[in-house]
Amino acid sequence: NAGVTQTPKFQVLKTGQSMTLQCAQDMNHEYMSWYRQDPGMGLRLIHYSVGAGITDQGEVPNGYNVSRSTTEDFPLRLLSAAPSQTSVYFCASSTDRVPGELFFGEGSRLTVL
Amino acid sequence: AQSVTQPDIHITVSEGASLELRCNYSYGATPYLFWYVQSPGQGLQLLLKYFSGDTLVQGIKGFEAEFKRSQSSFNLRKPSVHWSDAAEYFCAVGAKYSSASKIIFGSGTRLSIRP
Repeated sequence: NAGVTQTPKFQVLKTGQSMTLQCAQDMNHEYMSWYRQDPGMGLRLIHYSVGAGITDQGEVPNGYNVSRSTTEDFPLRLLSAAPSQTSVYFCASSTDRVPGELFFGEGSRLTVL
Repeated sequence: AQSVTQPDIHITVSEGASLELRCNYSYGATPYLFWYVQSPGQGLQLLLKYFSGDTLVQGIKGFEAEFKRSQSSFNLRKPSVHWSDAAEYFCAVGAKYSSASKIIFGSGTRLSIRP
């Protein structure tokens, strides 16, 4: 079972470059989220989606865009990367309409120089 | 707005000793509460969750947690830790009637095990 798949696992960018972190799930989950993890700050919610065509902002949305054209995919776009976006990014999905168990990908480590 | 506080950044316990990790939450209504564990280089795995009912919940790997509304706490416990329990532990709160995706995490507690 693939579960939640994130690509790439590692990426180095220069300031100002753009890139997309890919996230795909094969569990037919309605709900998908992006978190960033920084030392001492835990996981902070960037954006989330409650279904195809519906997205909303989390705690730290600035500098990131998302879209949800299909149930399976939830890409995270960095339009103009900044060193402050150096972090480990996790995608998660869930099947419940009420807060439930999140299934996480293995993470994508991004470094912005 | 919901929030979670884990006051202990790093805890070290001896193998075989008991463990308690603290978690305090802030939310106006009845929250949904979770504990997740993250092993090095891995994503997060759900240990246990509380939605309603019995305030003492059992999870995987021998962990349990107790919801105390009067103290706004949801502390994680294990009677006897094993070296494999060394990891980072995150408490999380989800808002009731909110979407499943909007779950807020605490800053985490790193657990080290002394041989």
